[in-house]
Amino acid sequence: GEDVEQSLFLSVREGDSSVINCTYTDSSSTYLYWYKQEPGAGLQLLTYIFSNMDMKQDQRLTVLLNKKDKHLSLRIADTQTGDSAIYFCAELGNSGYAHNFGKGTSLLVTP
Amino acid sequence: EPEVTQTPSHQVTQMGQEVILRCVPISNHLYFYWYRQILGQKVEFLVSFYNNEISEKSEIFDDQFSVERPDGSNFTLKIRSTKLEDSAMYFCASRGARGGTGELFFGEGSRLTVL
Repeated sequence: GEDVEQSLFLSVREGDSSVINCTYTDSSSTYLYWYKQEPGAGLQLLTYIFSNMDMKQDQRLTVLLNKKDKHLSLRIADTQTGDSAIYFCAELGNSGYAHNFGKGTSLLVTP
Repeated sequence: EPEVTQTPSHQVTQMGQEVILRCVPISNHLYFYWYRQILGQKVEFLVSFYNNEISEKSEIFDDQFSVERPDGSNFTLKIRSTKLEDSAMYFCASRGARGGTGELFFGEGSRLTVL
């Protein structure tokens, strides 16, 4: 099957920028997503980007999409300790029903 | 704020036993999903359900698995005869209308441990 790949761990200092990268395989995906999972909680949509966009900015979050390389990134500016969580990249599958998720990137923000 | 709720939060069972995981999706949502995450692995799609029938299922969702929406409120996942490899966190999710951004709303998960 198709795999969404992400790096597993990232550690940054508070106040620095974090960049989480993802590669996806389904070039026909219409939407790509970043979900956040805090300890003991379910996944929650953080942001998304439509496939005809290259970039989307939402406050401290910037999503970059390179369709040619099937590469998606999430940049968090001025990272805070409360941003420590697992971040999942996902693509909307062909059927329009299911999301294909990566393994998640565990972000640790240190003071 | 509407949310997806799941019970139990944790279930321990013996291999071969039947397990039912329960979910209450957001009330006006139309699409319902089960995903699972084995420790350290990716979040895997199991099944989607719409209009009282399965709309899509993965290879994982074999004859041991079934889903039901018995009363218009609950959405259940049944595993008939659990195996050790069924140990995972099971997430229920729901979604409103087809189209739009496709955002999924997830529950907090049910951790299944098969001994």
